Amino acid sequence: QEKVQQSPESLIVPEGAMVSLNCSFSDSASQSIWWYQQHPGKGPKALISIFSNGNKKEGRLTVYLNRASLHVSLHIKDSQPSDSAVYLCAVSGGSGTYQRFGTGTKLQVVP
Amino acid sequence: DTTVKQNPRYKLARVGKPVNLICSQTMNHDTMYWYQKKPNQAPKLLLFYYDKILNREADTFEKFQSSRPNNSFCSLYIGSAGLEYSAMYLCASSRLGGYAEQFFGPGTRLTVL
Repeated sequence: QEKVQQSPESLIVPEGAMVSLNCSFSDSASQSIWWYQQHPGKGPKALISIFSNGNKKEGRLTVYLNRASLHVSLHIKDSQPSDSAVYLCAVSGGSGTYQRFGTGTKLQVVP
Repeated sequence: DTTVKQNPRYKLARVGKPVNLICSQTMNHDTMYWYQKKPNQAPKLLLFYYDKILNREADTFEKFQSSRPNNSFCSLYIGSAGLEYSAMYLCASSRLGGYAEQFFGPGTRLTVL
């Protein structure tokens, strides 16, 4: 079964800092990797996804995928207090019918 | 409208009693999922419907049932709740299965006493 591990477990950064979140997965056949953001009392919300090796940038977010090392990272530029949330990494199964989630990274951005 | 709704938001149940949770979406998504989320753990996939076909995870096969009477609604049924079922239950939907973005509801917090 696909295993998804995230690090760090939690992170506190000052406003304006660059944030780097990591995710490793076990199945090299995984087709897509998604990052979700979850605020307290709400369900996760998709932020960005990547399918191909390399990087993808959307606004303040950049995601890097290295299939050889089974690793993906999410970078948040110029972090804001509103970015404070839990960030979940999800990897699609080889069959593509579902996603496996990591335990998440809790981010706190302090003013 | 990209809303997934879940009812109830909070549920208190007694050990040994049944529990039925409801999820609805109006996005005409072909796939609907149920996850169990406990503190400091990853959301655990319990089961999902692709159209009318139910797929259940092997390790939770006998613990959870589900029905999808139409494209918009999906239920999660626990026949006899145990203390270990206390958790947040998240419903999600997507088009084209696991490759696509999943839209989540706010969750139902189940407490079993």
